[in-house]
Amino acid sequence: AQSVAQPEDQVNVAEGNPLTVKCTYSVSGNPYLFWYVQYPNRGLQFLLKYITGDNLVKGSYGFEAEFNKSQTSFHLKKPSALVSDSALYFCAVRDPYNTNAGKSTFGDGTTLTVKP
Amino acid sequence: EPEVTQTPSHQVTQMGQEVILRCVPISNHLYFYWYRQILGQKVEFLVSFYNNEISEKSEIFDDQFSVERPDGSNFTLKIRSTKLEDSAMYFCASSYTGQSNEKLFFGSGTQLSVL
Repeated sequence: AQSVAQPEDQVNVAEGNPLTVKCTYSVSGNPYLFWYVQYPNRGLQFLLKYITGDNLVKGSYGFEAEFNKSQTSFHLKKPSALVSDSALYFCAVRDPYNTNAGKSTFGDGTTLTVKP
Repeated sequence: EPEVTQTPSHQVTQMGQEVILRCVPISNHLYFYWYRQILGQKVEFLVSFYNNEISEKSEIFDDQFSVERPDGSNFTLKIRSTKLEDSAMYFCASSYTGQSNEKLFFGSGTQLSVL
């Protein structure tokens, strides 16, 4: 069975500082990994995904994530945080052998707060 | 970017009542999904739907739940007789190919409160 963990409920950073939102996963074989962001009163929005290839994946709004197979991690990063990045972030994993795109397993979410 | 829309944004109902949550997926998408998130818990997969039938469902999706695409645009989730534990945020999502490497497009959710 696949699973994903986001060990931090909350991450607080100052504007302009780098940010990291952590995610670890468990899946048999090579995973498909996703990050989504949820702003207040909005649905989850896709940020980036790792399918195969380069371990460093770049996504929307200046975010990137690094796939680390040995540590089974897919941490979300941004070099310089903005106040507007404050939101709820979800990591999700999908078994590539499951042909159902919708059957993702999501983490609990991490609330990112960026203070001016 | 195109959006999935969900109505209503909030729904309050009495235990035992039927509720219908509505979603309009992105127009050229072929695969539709419902998820739910109980307050403070994970986002959980409920069901996927393709070609007018359920393609997969979770153990949460019992006989009290049903989905339908009544016309060319709407995708609905019906809960026949609501229970207190059905209180949650319900998200609709859609995708074009249904491939496991494809991103999902989510609606903003319906907050269901069962009293």
